[in-house]
Amino acid sequence: AQTVTQSQPEMSVQEAETVTLSCTYDTSENNYYLFWYKQPPSRQMILVIRQEAYKQQNATENRFSVNFQKAAKSFSLKISDSQLGDTAMYFCAFMTTGGNNRLAFGKGNQVVVIP
Amino acid sequence: DSGVTQTPKHLITATGQRVTLRCSPRSGDLSVYWYQQSLDQGLQFLIQYYNGEERAKGNILERFSAQQFPDLHSELNLSSLELGDSALYFCASSLTSGGPYGYTFGSGTRLTVV
Repeated sequence: AQTVTQSQPEMSVQEAETVTLSCTYDTSENNYYLFWYKQPPSRQMILVIRQEAYKQQNATENRFSVNFQKAAKSFSLKISDSQLGDTAMYFCAFMTTGGNNRLAFGKGNQVVVIP
Repeated sequence: DSGVTQTPKHLITATGQRVTLRCSPRSGDLSVYWYQQSLDQGLQFLIQYYNGEERAKGNILERFSAQQFPDLHSELNLSSLELGDSALYFCASSLTSGGPYGYTFGSGTRLTVV
């Protein structure tokens, strides 16, 4: 079974600053997908960014970018120019390819953006 | 609005009771997933349906069951409820089974067992 590990349970960042969340995973698969989801106080789970393991180029979505290190099985999320609306729990998630697979989540990182 | 609709949003019930949580997937999505989120266990996968058929089971208790109907909506039935079943229950959907583009989540049902 795949496991996803997130350390740094709670982090604070000043508005407009940058914060990086770390995630490691364990798998013997070669092809898979990685995701970051955010869960703001509203509890809604929102997809932030995704990465396909066969792509070497790191994914970027506006102020969100990842550093994908396949050999190290590491998938960190960088939030640039932090905004108050970025305050949320962030979950790293992993999924193998194939039709009957499902997202496995880490325990989450709480990010608090301070004005 | 994600397009995935879950009802009710909140539910308070007594131990030993039975409840049904309902989920309507995003339009066009064939696959439905149920997750349980609790403080100590995090997000746990319960069960997946694809186009009416069960595709995968996770950490779902025998007291829990689910189904997906011909109109693709899904229901999660929780019976003989215990205090420990108090949690946020999410439904998510994807177009295909496996959802390589990720899942779209509903806003969850907060279940409190007293």
